[in-house]
Amino acid sequence: KAGVTQTPRYLIKTRGQQVTLSCSPISGHRSVSWYQQTPGQGLQFLFEYFSETQRNKGNFPGRFSGRQFSNSRSEMNVSTLELGDSALYLCASSPGAGGGTDTQYFGPGTRLTVL
Amino acid sequence: AQSVTQLGSHVSVSEGALVLLRCNYSSSVPPYLFWYVQYPNQGLQLLLKYTSAATLVKGINGFEAEFKKSETSFHLTKPSAHMSDAAEYFCAVREETSGSRLTFGEGTQLTVNP
Repeated sequence: KAGVTQTPRYLIKTRGQQVTLSCSPISGHRSVSWYQQTPGQGLQFLFEYFSETQRNKGNFPGRFSGRQFSNSRSEMNVSTLELGDSALYLCASSPGAGGGTDTQYFGPGTRLTVL
Repeated sequence: AQSVTQLGSHVSVSEGALVLLRCNYSSSVPPYLFWYVQYPNQGLQLLLKYTSAATLVKGINGFEAEFKKSETSFHLTKPSAHMSDAAEYFCAVREETSGSRLTFGEGTQLTVNP
């Protein structure tokens, strides 16, 4: 099976712009989560989608949003970019409902740089 | 909310030496526990997870971890380090009611010296 794929892998934007990142989960996985990774804050949970519904949301401002499509592919959007949004954005998918001991499989991430 | 503490942001060992990476969680109710590894410019890869079937959990690449409820710990070990083990290691917890959400520790950068 192909792993979790994320596009694009690298992205450079300027302050005030918006950006959309895409994630394709492993075939058959319906739970998709997003994480932000920065040197200062580490790995932080953004949100989780299951069957096109947001099931969980982390402590991020409303500029961060996401959605999931019927084929389980997910996108996240960041509007009005700030310098502090520069980070590696990781997508992960899980089989089943995704809780308990279900493994989250991570993609390679999208490296976003905001200038 | 659960929290995870990884003691030591940097650990350095010699090739062939024991690797010990420490992880402590905050809750009196054992959460679901995971160890992930991240190589440069890559995503996270699962090393092992605690499923309550056994307190000593064996993972990939020769790693194992022991769940100790009395110490609220889930330390990661490997008897003999290899150069290819150099990477960043993350301990993570999941609560029963948090869906897929993982809460990660700060990470430990492992250096293996020849």
